[in-house]
Amino acid sequence: DTAVSQTPKYLVTQMGNDKSIKCEQNLGHDTMYWYKQDSKKFLKIMFSYNNKELIINETVPNRFSPKSPDKAHLNLHINSLELGDSAVYFCASSLGQGNSPLHFGNGTRLTVT
Amino acid sequence: QQQVKQSPQSLIVQKGGISIINCAYENTAFDYFPWYQQFPGKGPALLIAIRPDVSEKKEGRFTISFNKSAKQFSLHIMDSQPGDSATYFCAATNTGTASKLTFGTGTRLQVTL
Repeated sequence: DTAVSQTPKYLVTQMGNDKSIKCEQNLGHDTMYWYKQDSKKFLKIMFSYNNKELIINETVPNRFSPKSPDKAHLNLHINSLELGDSAVYFCASSLGQGNSPLHFGNGTRLTVT
Repeated sequence: QQQVKQSPQSLIVQKGGISIINCAYENTAFDYFPWYQQFPGKGPALLIAIRPDVSEKKEGRFTISFNKSAKQFSLHIMDSQPGDSATYFCAATNTGTASKLTFGTGTRLQVTL
């Protein structure tokens, strides 16, 4: 039973398109995140939500818009996709305290052509 | 600004050997230092973590050594096994703030037979 699930696993699209990635967690966590992992494997936080409220927004272009309809879901919508957006996007969740482990999904590999 | 520096970028170790990955941090407010393990096609998963009030933490074959004065910490994998082949990330956070992990750049470990 997958704890943090994200869909789709792969996403191939053309520049200028709009796409969404969905994430759901069944761990009962209050805090959810989006991380971006680039081709060099560098992991960088993009957003964090606590109980549907945005608490971290790391200078991400406003083409990226997270939406949290409830505390178990955090979706990521990307407008006007650019080549540089190609990466693996990971959703994660945690209890929210600083020493709470992050539970990651298996990632969505986005390729923009 | 890269707040957590990790080395080496890649590491090849023979089965049974010791794998050592080093990290250095700059922010003295960091007070929690986890290590994450990532297998290909999967999200990172918490491996082991340490607080700066102890100098060493051991869990099975995995040990974190922590040097607060030098602002450095390292992961030692004893009796390395082929199944340990993965990418390892150190990370750091200040548990008093919104839980935002800063990751190192990752070390790709390959354990050969």
